[in-house]
Amino acid sequence: GNSVTQMEGPVTLSEEAFLTINCTYTATGYPSLFWYVQYPGEGLQLLLKATKADDKGSNKGFEATYRKETTSFHLEKGSVQVSDSAVYFCALKLEYGNKLVFGAGTILRVKS
Amino acid sequence: NAGVMQNPRHLVRRRGQEARLRCSPMKGHSHVYWYRQLPEEGLKFMVYLQKENIIDESGMPKERFSAEFPKEGPSILRIQQVVRGDSAAYFCASSPLGSSGANVLTFGAGSRLTVL
Repeated sequence: GNSVTQMEGPVTLSEEAFLTINCTYTATGYPSLFWYVQYPGEGLQLLLKATKADDKGSNKGFEATYRKETTSFHLEKGSVQVSDSAVYFCALKLEYGNKLVFGAGTILRVKS
Repeated sequence: NAGVMQNPRHLVRRRGQEARLRCSPMKGHSHVYWYRQLPEEGLKFMVYLQKENIIDESGMPKERFSAEFPKEGPSILRIQQVVRGDSAAYFCASSPLGSSGANVLTFGAGSRLTVL
């Protein structure tokens, strides 16, 4: 079936450290891939997306590249801030249909 | 543009009572999706609706759960005879008509149900 696997958290980093959150997927066809962020007490916000192989999504200093050969969409940021502390969800959407399939989420804690 | 509005934000029910969660989609959006987030887990798809139509309910439990999206008014997720295992955050999302694979779902802030 279709699924998303994320690295387990929590991930604890110091301010200005480099961030990687791994995400791999299993899907039929050519899904679109997304990263959503959930700040404490809030809903999910779209962080970035990529719709085809080798696309790079980027926003607010975060990047992720759609790698079909490794079925991965790892999230990276060069220098994290305390305000980046949140839960990050990787998700896929199949070509046909509108359902999102989510990973379990990764908690990021950034210390000053 | 108020975004996706959900209410109540927090709801407490005793076992056996009914819970009703409401979702108003973004202006111009005619598709609504409900997701459930259990503690320490990711979001799981429950149901996808258009106005007056259930399109996909493959994620809905077979009993006690129902959803509707009437011609007028918000979408309602109804849970009858709640049990402790229903305690979760319920998120609603909406998208425009004719969403393609690249289109994005916009999420509400969620409704957190606690069953005592």
